[in-house]
Parts: sequence; structure tokens; C-alpha cells
Amino acid sequence: AQSVTQLDSQVPVFEEAPVELRCNYSSSVSVYLFWYVQYPNQGLQLLLKYLSGSTLVKGINGFEAEFNKSQTSFHLRKPSVHISDTAEYFCAVKFTGNQFYFGTGTSLTVIP
Amino acid sequence: DVKVTQSSRYLVKRTGEKVFLECVQDMDHENMFWYRQDPGLGLRLIYFSYDVKMKEKGDIPEGYSVSREKKERFSLILESASTNQTSMYLCASKFGSRGLRFGNTIYFGEGSWLTVV
Repeated sequence: AQSVTQLDSQVPVFEEAPVELRCNYSSSVSVYLFWYVQYPNQGLQLLLKYLSGSTLVKGINGFEAEFNKSQTSFHLRKPSVHISDTAEYFCAVKFTGNQFYFGTGTSLTVIP
Repeated sequence: DVKVTQSSRYLVKRTGEKVFLECVQDMDHENMFWYRQDPGLGLRLIYFSYDVKMKEKGDIPEGYSVSREKKERFSLILESASTNQTSMYLCASKFGSRGLRFGNTIYFGEGSWLTVV
């Protein structure tokens, strides 16, 4: 069965420190990979996506992610976080077919 | 910009009531989805629709039904609301086969908070 794993449910980090949010998925077949951000009381917004090409993908708000096929991972990183980055982050994978599979989310809290 | 609009942001309903959650998208997307989001469980797929009048069960369809009479509109129906259906409901849409040209991105609405008392 297809699955997406976000091992860290909560990540506290100090302002201006770097952060990495981890995402692993179950299959090594061709996939499309996404990170979404959800601010309080809002829907999900696309941060970045990997479809093909360069394994390092840059997104909005200074975030980037690296696709690692051998480790079936797509970790999200930011070199210096801001208070405004406090939100819930979801990793999503589209395997073959029309369905997306989402991780359970990582709550990032930036501490002043 | 893609717009996915959920008609109700906050609803409070009584146990046993019939509840309709409406979703409209303006991008001519073939595929539409209903998810529910609960703390610690992430997003769980309730139903999705490939195209008009086409629907398939997701991971947790029990207690729900859907309707897709027009391409732009996808409704989630709770026939008899129960307290365990208190949740945030998210509608989403994307292109179908044309998605290969448009990045396969799924777009979300703002969410509907449903409380069943």
C-alpha cells in the first residue's frame, strides 16, 4: 500500500535557525512530490513540487526540498526561519493514478 | 489564479441532521476531492470524482455521500450527522489527464469547520 510518512509531528525551532522537515514515501516507482503549508484556519497552499529534472527544488518563502530516489525521501529545508513560518506542513505524493497521499503533517513552531 | 471555494466556513449542526457542504472550482478541473482533517491523522480522503457524475470512494466513505452534477461543483453530503463527524473538511481539485501539462498540482479550498452537537 502507498504511504507517506512524516516522522516529526512537532518541530520547535528558534527564529533565524535552520530547519529540516522530513518526508519519506513507500514506493520507488515514478512519483510526483509536493509540500503544502497550512496557516491557522486556512486551507493548504502549495510550497513547492518536484515533477522531474533537478532533484533540488526551490519554492516560495525561501523553502527548498531535495528529492532522493534511493532513500525515497523529499525533505523540506529552510536555512533561516521567521516567526511567520509557524504553520503546519504537509508532504504529499502522487503515485500512479489520480490520488494524492498525504503525510500526517508537521507542526513547525518558530520561537522568538 | 485557481480558486476553490467552499461555501460555508463554519457550521454547527445537530445530530441526525442532513448536512450539505458545497465546493466550486473555476479552473475547469476534471478531478475533485473531499478530505477531512483531524489532529494527528492528517488528511484522509472521503470521496473523489474523476469527472461529472463519476465518483469513487476514498479511504473513509462511511457516513458520507457525494454529488457531482456539474463539472465545477462537488458536494459532500452527511445523510445523518453524528458527533464523530465533527471535523475540518477540505475540498480540492486538479486537472485529470491534462494535468501532465499543468504540473499535476492539487488546489485546496479554505476549509469548512463542521461541529455536530
